[in-house]
Amino acid sequence: DQQVKQNSPSLSVQEGRISILNCDYTNSMFDYFLWYKKYPAEGPTFLISISSIKDKNEDGRFTVFLNKSAKHLSLHIVPSQPGDSAVYFCAASTSGSRLTFGEGTQLTVNP
Amino acid sequence: ETGVTQSPTHLIKTRGQQVTLRCSSQSGHNTVSWYQQALGQGPQFIFQYYREEENGRGNFPPRFSGLQFPNYSSELNVNALELDDSALYLCASSIHNRDLNEQFFGPGTRLTVL
Repeated sequence: DQQVKQNSPSLSVQEGRISILNCDYTNSMFDYFLWYKKYPAEGPTFLISISSIKDKNEDGRFTVFLNKSAKHLSLHIVPSQPGDSAVYFCAASTSGSRLTFGEGTQLTVNP
Repeated sequence: ETGVTQSPTHLIKTRGQQVTLRCSSQSGHNTVSWYQQALGQGPQFIFQYYREEENGRGNFPPRFSGLQFPNYSSELNVNALELDDSALYLCASSIHNRDLNEQFFGPGTRLTVL
């Protein structure tokens, strides 16, 4: 029962262009969504989050969009930089409880 | 201020053995959560400890157990190891009832079961 899905295992973009990572969920009780970045041999690090009462949240080059009717969220990175190359996980929670993660998307930003 | 640390970094065990993994939480954090990340998958919640008691559990059998100590550090114990227990085990520390974006992960322990 995969409640959070990231259907693209990998994504490759050119430096300076936009990276768009997608995530779908099935549990309508999720009310808080987060994106994490993970480098090899390190734990996931928090990137950006969004509450279900919003449809957009921005932090510098990172923007998360939430479409509740479609149960879909996306992370936009503009402009993409080679240092952004990592595995990106989306995660969801209900009322601040445990995190439910997607499978991750490997982003590669080519110089 | 030290971050979340885990030990050991790597571990190899054989099927049927028992293993103990350790996690030191970030300074000031009183809650520890454990996650299992199998190869090619996202982390899956095992359980959380707060005030030295289990405070929520995911879909893992009872052979996965844990402890939290008065200094908020934590252990994850797995008995009767199975091949499918091979994974990266992550712990995350936080302050109870604070936002999840204030939860910090350690680098993980890579467990291989042969």
